[in-house]
Amino acid sequence: ELKVEQNPLFLSMQEGKNYTIYCNYSTTSDRLYWYRQDPGKSLESLFVLLSNGAVKQEGRLMASLDTKARLSTLHITAAVHDLSATYFCAVDPNNQGGKLIFGQGTELSVKP
Amino acid sequence: DVKVTQSSRYLVKRTGEKVFLECVQDMDHENMFWYRQDPGLGLRLIYFSYDVKMKEKGDIPEGYSVSREKKERFSLILESASTNQTSMYLCASSTGGTETQYFGPGTRLLVL
Repeated sequence: ELKVEQNPLFLSMQEGKNYTIYCNYSTTSDRLYWYRQDPGKSLESLFVLLSNGAVKQEGRLMASLDTKARLSTLHITAAVHDLSATYFCAVDPNNQGGKLIFGQGTELSVKP
Repeated sequence: DVKVTQSSRYLVKRTGEKVFLECVQDMDHENMFWYRQDPGLGLRLIYFSYDVKMKEKGDIPEGYSVSREKKERFSLILESASTNQTSMYLCASSTGGTETQYFGPGTRLLVL
């Protein structure tokens, strides 16, 4: 059974600190997606990672993909309150642009 | 901008009722998806569709059916609603390939 596991599931950070969210998956896939969800809102696409070694950065967030280790990381640099949200990773198990398998989500709370 | 809309933000239904959730996208996307989101479980795929009148079961299709008569519209049907179908339902669409999925605002369904 394909599994996508995120770690940690809950993260409370202070502003200005750095941290990493991990996304492990159990099947071969070259495509991994990161989404953000604000409370009561829908999912917003953050990053699309399409090959081994891919790295994408947007502001204080940087995502990377290691397909050999079946691991993606979402690194947060100098966190600010506006980054408080739930972050999901998702894997395309068939590399066909169809169904995605989502992780459980990491609820991030950044406190002043 | 891609726009995915869902017919209702909140719905309250009684056990045994037939429930229709509608999703419309305005970007001529081939693929459309229905997920349900529950705390601690992430998003789970119910059904998806690659083309008009085409549908495929996702991971949790039991108790649900779908209809796609037009490319832009994908409906989720709960034939006989039960309390364990109380959840947030999210619709998404994509062009396929490597592009991300775009999500609607979600419908929060309560079955009493």
